[in-house]
Amino acid sequence: GAGVSQSPRYKVAKRGQDVALRCDPISGHVSLFWYQQALGQGPEFLTYFQNEAQLDKSGLPSDRFFAERPEGSVSTLKIQRTQQEDSAVYLCASSLGVAGGRTGELFFGEGSRLTVL
Amino acid sequence: GNSVTQMEGPVTLSEEAFLTINCTYTATGYPSLFWYVQYPGEGLQLLLKATKADDKGSNKGFEATYRKETTSFHLEKGSVQVSDSAVYFCALSDWANFGNEKLTFGTGTRLTIIP
Repeated sequence: GAGVSQSPRYKVAKRGQDVALRCDPISGHVSLFWYQQALGQGPEFLTYFQNEAQLDKSGLPSDRFFAERPEGSVSTLKIQRTQQEDSAVYLCASSLGVAGGRTGELFFGEGSRLTVL
Repeated sequence: GNSVTQMEGPVTLSEEAFLTINCTYTATGYPSLFWYVQYPGEGLQLLLKATKADDKGSNKGFEATYRKETTSFHLEKGSVQVSDSAVYFCALSDWANFGNEKLTFGTGTRLTIIP
């Protein structure tokens, strides 16, 4: 597609449920990022992939958060045993990475809004 | 670590007013600086950027200058329009230290322009 696509756009989960959020990056983009945005705050970095390799997961808040990108394209962010503090908008972004000259321009999806009851 | 501090909002202005949104940063290296904008119902998108000291980024009438001496990257526009109503985020990336383009964002400033 033309842009970064995320699904579902909205997800309501009961506390303790597992959720999976999907990201389809722009075709050919090497770098993929996940961010968490709490209400009224700026996005906070979660994790980074270069192709299928997860090179930086320093922002994942706990071992309940897991991300994968097995074929270097689509990525899934999984949250196990959701807690109320996990309620946020989860943003995915992609870029050309080194091939794009390290411009620093990330292309963002519209996000998946997770509400944990 | 790296951080970005930006002017708290919300900011409400009349059409054709002058806009300034302040942004300062803390970084251990020599970051690139960005302003991203989020229009209602849309994803974040790059507005402008500057990659080294004294560079000026500009787009859609907005400007920001990378000031290393004051560690600032203030966003300005001479005459705002209703269509500029959005949330504006200042951000930095520090490829040299992190090995990737991950962005550190400020908290965002909601701008509303009244006709």
